[in-house]
Amino acid sequence: QVQLVQSVTEVKKPGASVKVSCKASGYTFTSYGIVWVRQAPGQGLEWLGWISASNGNTNYVQKLQDRVTMTTETSTSTAYMELRSLRSDDTAVYYCARGINTVATAPGDYWGQGTLVTVSS
Amino acid sequence: QAVVTQEPSLTVSPGGTVTLTCGSSTGAVTSGHYPYWFQQKPGQAPRTLIYDVYNKRSWTPARFSGSLLGGKVALTLSGAQPEDEADYYCLLSYGGARVFGGGTKLTVL
Repeated sequence: QVQLVQSVTEVKKPGASVKVSCKASGYTFTSYGIVWVRQAPGQGLEWLGWISASNGNTNYVQKLQDRVTMTTETSTSTAYMELRSLRSDDTAVYYCARGINTVATAPGDYWGQGTLVTVSS
Repeated sequence: QAVVTQEPSLTVSPGGTVTLTCGSSTGAVTSGHYPYWFQQKPGQAPRTLIYDVYNKRSWTPARFSGSLLGGKVALTLSGAQPEDEADYYCLLSYGGARVFGGGTKLTVL
């Protein structure tokens, strides 16, 4: 069965970086894209970006373009989202999700369980 | 960045029908925005209900349907059940980049 398993909770200080992982199983990794979404405590969903697992193409939300990098490692079927220069308002649950195909930039079906990233001094 | 608007909250009676809408600050929502709808219950990851206006996932109950309505995209729930109480989010595409609406808290009461 398809599964996306994310890394565990992270606590970081302001200015640090975090790299969240999303390990996929149960399907051909390179046949779908991976989308990243976050949700601050008590707030709505925010689309962060997308990466094609077949060719590494990316599309990031404009406000984070200078701080975020999404990558994939096909040998381990794992996607990564790195966020740099962390601020307190980056505190959120970060989700990965599978697109419906290689080019769809929206979460199509399967979601990870979420990774809580807390930024605090 | 475009702003996507949703009703902050709606209430529906059990067995009743309710329509949630999603609009765009850039103008009318069309199929070219490739609209999606998601359901999220407390403490859970979101779940994809509808994609590309009206296409359902295999797990989407038949009582949910998507459409374009008066320049917006709509999610209609016909025959509401207590388990439909949740937050609902729409997601629109703007040239590949996506923007979520603020969400609608749906109460079944």
